[in-house]
Amino acid sequence: DVVLTQTPSTLSATIGQSVSISCRSSQSLLDSAGNTYLYWYLQRPGQSPQLLIYLVSNLGSGVPNRFSGSGSGTDFTLKISGVEAEDLGVYYCMQATHAPFTFGSGTKLEIK
Amino acid sequence: QVQLKESGPGLVQPSQTLSLTCTVSGFSLTSNSVHWVRQPPGKGLEWVGAIWSGGSTDYNSALKSRLSISRDTSKSQVFLKMNSLQTEDTAIYFCLGAAYWGQGVMVTVSS
Repeated sequence: DVVLTQTPSTLSATIGQSVSISCRSSQSLLDSAGNTYLYWYLQRPGQSPQLLIYLVSNLGSGVPNRFSGSGSGTDFTLKISGVEAEDLGVYYCMQATHAPFTFGSGTKLEIK
Repeated sequence: QVQLKESGPGLVQPSQTLSLTCTVSGFSLTSNSVHWVRQPPGKGLEWVGAIWSGGSTDYNSALKSRLSISRDTSKSQVFLKMNSLQTEDTAIYFCLGAAYWGQGVMVTVSS
């Protein structure tokens, strides 16, 4: 199974600060058709996860453009350009290139 | 408007079988996959399995011997069955499809 390693596990940021989260895969997430099925989700306290980014860099519906995703192959990054209070929660990457699909262990974002 | 809603028993005895239903609206099961994901209390997300638009399935490697996912397209429902439940299976179980998640259902395995 593909292992996704997320770093850091915890992130503390002030309002307005820019932060990045890394997601590294144990094998390439590029499939034979040239697609990379890497997703980012945010789970706010007490809520279901919500989609932020799909296919590495595409913004989910209604997601603010301060969120951006990048990367290729085995290395991926989620960036928040100007953290807001509502961004607190746990961020997960997920790969859907290789079955069984797998999640990273999560990055908890705290607001200072 | 896409919606998913999980339903099922909140409490299951050890060694028994868990049966959950995900009822969807706003999209077709024959055009979209539906996935099950679980989250033990205070822990991260674990992908459980999926049923694809064509009806085939994929399962978590560690759970596949105990797991079955099926659907009734006429009722827009997806079913999860997991047998031989243990306390480690205590978790919130979510279904997701068409980029949306259900609210989840808490399942506690306890005698």
